[in-house]
Amino acid sequence: EAGVTQFPSHSVIEKGQTVTLRCDPISGHDNLYWYRRVMGKEIKFLLHFVKESKQDESGMPNNRFLAERTGGTYSTLKVQPAELEDSGVYFCASSQGAGAYNEQFFGPGTRLTVL
Amino acid sequence: GQSLEQPSEVTAVEGAIVQINCTYQTSGFYGLSWYQQHDGGAPTFLSYNALDGLEETGRFSSFLSRSDSYGYLLLQELQMKDSASYFCAVRVAGTGGFKTIFGAGTRLFVKA
Repeated sequence: EAGVTQFPSHSVIEKGQTVTLRCDPISGHDNLYWYRRVMGKEIKFLLHFVKESKQDESGMPNNRFLAERTGGTYSTLKVQPAELEDSGVYFCASSQGAGAYNEQFFGPGTRLTVL
Repeated sequence: GQSLEQPSEVTAVEGAIVQINCTYQTSGFYGLSWYQQHDGGAPTFLSYNALDGLEETGRFSSFLSRSDSYGYLLLQELQMKDSASYFCAVRVAGTGGFKTIFGAGTRLFVKA
């Protein structure tokens, strides 16, 4: 069974540009999460989809970030316009259920560098 | 607010035992997880403790004390391949369900 995949693995853009990150969860996983890790800091929750609906987007930093999951399969996270502080590794994770005990399967991340 | 504290780095020798501690301050706590991440790789799930006590899975064990808001990951018979970052994470009540909050990670260096 394929794991969570993310594209691209790396992205280097200039401040003010737009970048779109993609996540393909494990097939059949209704729950999809986006996280971000800024260098050396915690892996910070951004948002949670259940199928195509945003269950919790309390971690989204501001309105420059837009996440979508049309059709409840893959998800995209767009940053527009990108700022220097958006640099970091963006992880996607998926899970079958969303209960208290719930193993999340992570993708390898997209390393975003904003110059 | 919600916060977790874990050491930033730990160094140990091959074959030794190492304990990585995690203390947390959260509301709506349900359980404590541990994840391992090798450089450039995906964080992978190691363990989840919802109840007090020790859970053992092979060379790795995880402990939780809810009354002390404290847990640890114990790695025995260390191998070079155990060099990685280890994140503790709490499962808390979130909007419409549950949320996972991670610590900043502990980088473990295993030396020969």
